[in-house]
Amino acid sequence: NAGVTQTPKFRVLKTGQSMTLLCAQDMNHEYMYWYRQDPGMGLRLIHYSVGEGTTAKGEVPDGYNVSRLKKQNFLLGLESAAPSQTSVYFCASSEWISGGYEQYFGPGTRLTVT
Amino acid sequence: GENVEQHPSTLSVQEGDSAVIKCTYSDSASNYFPWYKQELGKRPQLIIDIRSNVGEKKDQRIAVTLNKTAKHFSLHITETQPEDSAVYFCAASRNAGGTSYGKLTFGQGTILTVHP
Repeated sequence: NAGVTQTPKFRVLKTGQSMTLLCAQDMNHEYMYWYRQDPGMGLRLIHYSVGEGTTAKGEVPDGYNVSRLKKQNFLLGLESAAPSQTSVYFCASSEWISGGYEQYFGPGTRLTVT
Repeated sequence: GENVEQHPSTLSVQEGDSAVIKCTYSDSASNYFPWYKQELGKRPQLIIDIRSNVGEKKDQRIAVTLNKTAKHFSLHITETQPEDSAVYFCAASRNAGGTSYGKLTFGQGTILTVHP
């Protein structure tokens, strides 16, 4: 049971390039999330999904797109990367436990846009 | 939407001392309050959480208290050890049914340093 995995671990992009980050979970969780983490700002929700084929915007969705074609995978896309998107990206999935949704995080992807 | 404020941003203690981190939230409908520990270069990991139907929860050296009236909750670490050094995040969520979908709003984080 690998939990939540993310690929790649590191990536450097030039401004204007595109890329896709992959998140996979093997816990059969319905809900999945993408966060970005910047110094002094905690984690901020980009997009989330409540099931296969569904996506919704979070707190900071601009410049990102997502897809959930399979229940176990949640993809985050950057169509035209900008230096402001330099960040650490975390994926998470959640399950209902004793009256609350507990989130489990992936190891993160460190993205630098030059 | 929900807003979570966390203080202090940095906290330095001597080994064996206690550490307290405080968070306030704005949405009175929030009812789930987890705390995450993040070591350098690692993922956030859940260390303790509290639901709104209790005022305090304890797990060995860590405890969390919740004051729903004042809308604040705190993490208490007793007998701190150097391995407690990390960034700690509080979060809040509406977890009871409806359209919350378990979304978390995080505080800004506290860098805890425990000196041997």
